[in-house]
Amino acid sequence: NAGVTQTPKFQVLKTGQSMTLQCAQDMNHNSMYWYRQDPGMGLRLIYYSASEGTTDKGEVPNGYNVSRLNKREFSLRLESAAPSQTSVYFCASSREGGTGRVFGPGTRLTVL
Amino acid sequence: KQEVTQIPAALSVPEGENLVLNCSFTDSAIYNLQWFRQDPGKGLTSLLLIQSSQREQTSGRLNASLDKSSGRSTLYIAASQPGDSATYLCAAGANSKLTFGKGITLSVRP
Repeated sequence: NAGVTQTPKFQVLKTGQSMTLQCAQDMNHNSMYWYRQDPGMGLRLIYYSASEGTTDKGEVPNGYNVSRLNKREFSLRLESAAPSQTSVYFCASSREGGTGRVFGPGTRLTVL
Repeated sequence: KQEVTQIPAALSVPEGENLVLNCSFTDSAIYNLQWFRQDPGKGLTSLLLIQSSQREQTSGRLNASLDKSSGRSTLYIAASQPGDSATYLCAAGANSKLTFGKGITLSVRP
């Protein structure tokens, strides 16, 4: 039982490049989330998926897109990376929206 | 809009002390309150989850309480150890409305 896994762990991009962050959970959770964590800003929700087939914007969605590929997988795409997107990205899941979150180990992204 | 505050931002204590970490929130209509631990360079590990109908939860040396009327939660750590050194975050709400505090960085000195 791996919980929530994220790939890659580290990534360096140049401005304008694109990439997809992958997230998978094996706990049969319905809801999945993408957060970014920045010094002094705390954790901010980018996008979430309340259930398979649905996605919604969070607090800071600009510059990102998501895909809920199936119940297990939820990916985050940066179409044209900008230095402001340098951050640590966390994926999380929960059985339902009101229950506790389980977090992945994070992806540390640097955009030059 | 829910705001979650954790003060102080950092705390240093000698080993063996019992300590209390505070979390305050502005909207008492929360669904649950969750405490997390984050080690440097790592993800968040859930410590305790208190549903809105509950008053407290306990796990080992940790006890978390919730007072919705005053908008406060506390995390009590008994007999602190150097291994407890980490950042502790609280989060209030539910669904997409889960709001995180900025965390308290705890250092337990041997």
